[in-house]
Amino acid sequence: DVQLVDSGGGLVQPGGSLRLSCTASGFTFSSYAMSWVRQAPGKGLQWVATISGTLRDTFYADSVRGRFTISRDNSENTLFLQMNSLRVDDTAVYYCAKVGNGWSEFGSWGQGTLVTVSS
Amino acid sequence: SYVLNQPLSVSVAPGETARITCGGSKIGSKGVHWYQQKPGQAPVLVIYYTTDRPSGIPERLSGSISGDTATLTISRVEAGDEADYHCQVWDSNSYHWVFGGGTKLTVL
Repeated sequence: DVQLVDSGGGLVQPGGSLRLSCTASGFTFSSYAMSWVRQAPGKGLQWVATISGTLRDTFYADSVRGRFTISRDNSENTLFLQMNSLRVDDTAVYYCAKVGNGWSEFGSWGQGTLVTVSS
Repeated sequence: SYVLNQPLSVSVAPGETARITCGGSKIGSKGVHWYQQKPGQAPVLVIYYTTDRPSGIPERLSGSISGDTATLTISRVEAGDEADYHCQVWDSNSYHWVFGGGTKLTVL
């Protein structure tokens, strides 16, 4: 079975940095694109970033481009999200998600990790 | 940027049929995916590519499309169906993944 375990969330001051991790198991990690999706308290889902399985391609939502960096270590089956220059409106639960073969749907999700940006 | 519109809430009595809509320009040309999210839990994919069900998802849940509107239909609604439902598409022009605002399904 596919398993995704998110970690690294916490409380950080505005302007600070945080690095999230997602450890994957139960599938051939390097064969799939992976994404981060976030959900602010009481709000809907918002796509954040996606990275291809080969690491060649990365894509970002306009709201995080230039501040966040998605990366992966295929030898360790781990996905990362480096978040810099954090803002109050980045406060959310962050989920890692496995992208389907068609580069369209999110077939499996981690349990999420809470990032709170506050002074 | 591409926008998906969902109603904030839908209410239905047990045993009835719930229909949750998702509107977007030329949505028929995109694969529409639906996620169920219960309080405090991660989303779960329940319909993909507009009409397909992942294994383990009951046949009571189905998807369809007409014009610029996709619909998630839940037949014979049960108390356990109470959740938020989110639609999503991939905009291949911009390589952006887009979600609707989500619909809260209340079982009366």
